[in-house]
Amino acid sequence: AQSVTQLGSHVSVSEGALVLLRCNYSSSVPPYLFWYVQYPNQGLQLLLKYTTGATLVKGINGFEAEFKKSETSFHLTKPSAHMSDAAEYFCAVSERNTGRRALTFGSGTRLQVQP
Amino acid sequence: DTAVSQTPKYLVTQMGNDKSIKCEQNLGHDTMYWYKQDSKKFLKIMFSYNNKELIINETVPNRFSPKSPDKAHLNLHINSLELGDSAVYFCASRAGVEQFFGPGTRLTVL
Repeated sequence: AQSVTQLGSHVSVSEGALVLLRCNYSSSVPPYLFWYVQYPNQGLQLLLKYTTGATLVKGINGFEAEFKKSETSFHLTKPSAHMSDAAEYFCAVSERNTGRRALTFGSGTRLQVQP
Repeated sequence: DTAVSQTPKYLVTQMGNDKSIKCEQNLGHDTMYWYKQDSKKFLKIMFSYNNKELIINETVPNRFSPKSPDKAHLNLHINSLELGDSAVYFCASRAGVEQFFGPGTRLTVL
């Protein structure tokens, strides 16, 4: 069974500061990895995903994440936070070897950006 | 054009009632999902259909019944609604690796 742990349910940064949201997963086989963002009262939007190849993946809105197999991590970063980044962020995984591909989500991290 | 749409967006109802939520995708995907997001924002898979065939049925009360009339539609019917069913329900569709989510339906059971 897969599981996802997001350290820190709330993260607060100043505008212009580095954003680091942590995600660790547990899976018998390295899964597909995703970061989704949810703005208030909206659906989920894919920020980026890792499937294969280069372990540093770039996404939308200046976000990137690095897959580290040895650490079973997929942390999300952005060099400079913007007020518009304030939202809920979810790390998720899905199985590689089945047709099911249901997403298993972490518990989410609320990012606050202070002016 | 909306890729994955859900109706209604908000649903307020009394305990014991039966209600349905509809989902439609115009992406041509074969696989669709229902997820539930509870009051603490936790998201969990409920069901999945692949080309009208049920492929995932998690530990969901049998008061919940998904129906897929065709591969572009996946509806969720809920019987005898309970207070604990209050949540946001998201539909998603998938081609390949990525899932595309609908805007969600906020269900409030009074």
